[in-house]
Amino acid sequence: DTGVSQDPRHKITKRGQNVTFRCDPISEHNRLYWYRQTLGQGPEFLTYFQNEAQLEKSRLLSDRFSAERPKGSFSTLEIQRTEQGDSAMYLCASSLGWGWELFFGEGSRLTVL
Amino acid sequence: KNEVEQSPQNLTAQEGEFITINCSYSVGISALHWLQQHPGGGIVSLFMLSSGKKKHGRLIATINIQEKHSSLHITASHPRDSAVYICAVDVGGAQKLVFGQGTRLTINP
Repeated sequence: DTGVSQDPRHKITKRGQNVTFRCDPISEHNRLYWYRQTLGQGPEFLTYFQNEAQLEKSRLLSDRFSAERPKGSFSTLEIQRTEQGDSAMYLCASSLGWGWELFFGEGSRLTVL
Repeated sequence: KNEVEQSPQNLTAQEGEFITINCSYSVGISALHWLQQHPGGGIVSLFMLSSGKKKHGRLIATINIQEKHSSLHITASHPRDSAVYICAVDVGGAQKLVFGQGTRLTINP
């Protein structure tokens, strides 16, 4: 257990439905990152937060994706109108900042039917 | 061409063998990370390097900034070392990492 928790661990949904994933980072960590990993590939950066501010979003993050980190604690990643191509493992990571170790959650696996 | 290339993609060895996994990158970086991923998804950070060499137990990581190359070594390998090892680079200094595709390591007893 790294101290970063993600929920749910596995979500199966039908195409067109909305899904939301939650990440609870280690409590004192300022930085929170979302990555997406498809089968057989390394993770890809989606977005990151410094406290409650979303500092950068990847071009991979289409308009159907939105992430929030209210109050700089937990974060949510919502996918609207899911597509089969959204099927992947969504990973959350947190750290104290640059130069500090990154801690990853176990991931939330999304399957879109 | 990917910005981060790992070799080999798959590696099978016998328990006790010395293991080397290589990572080459094509961009300027502020740091390089080695990560371990077990089946089911969980990723654990092994090392973060910006120069030189680090050692933790049976694991050793080295980096050559001029050659844009890093290696991860495992001495006296054990079946519990079986996992996917991922190299990732920090390009912009914000820890939004660019990952390699990973090396799947299998250590047979």
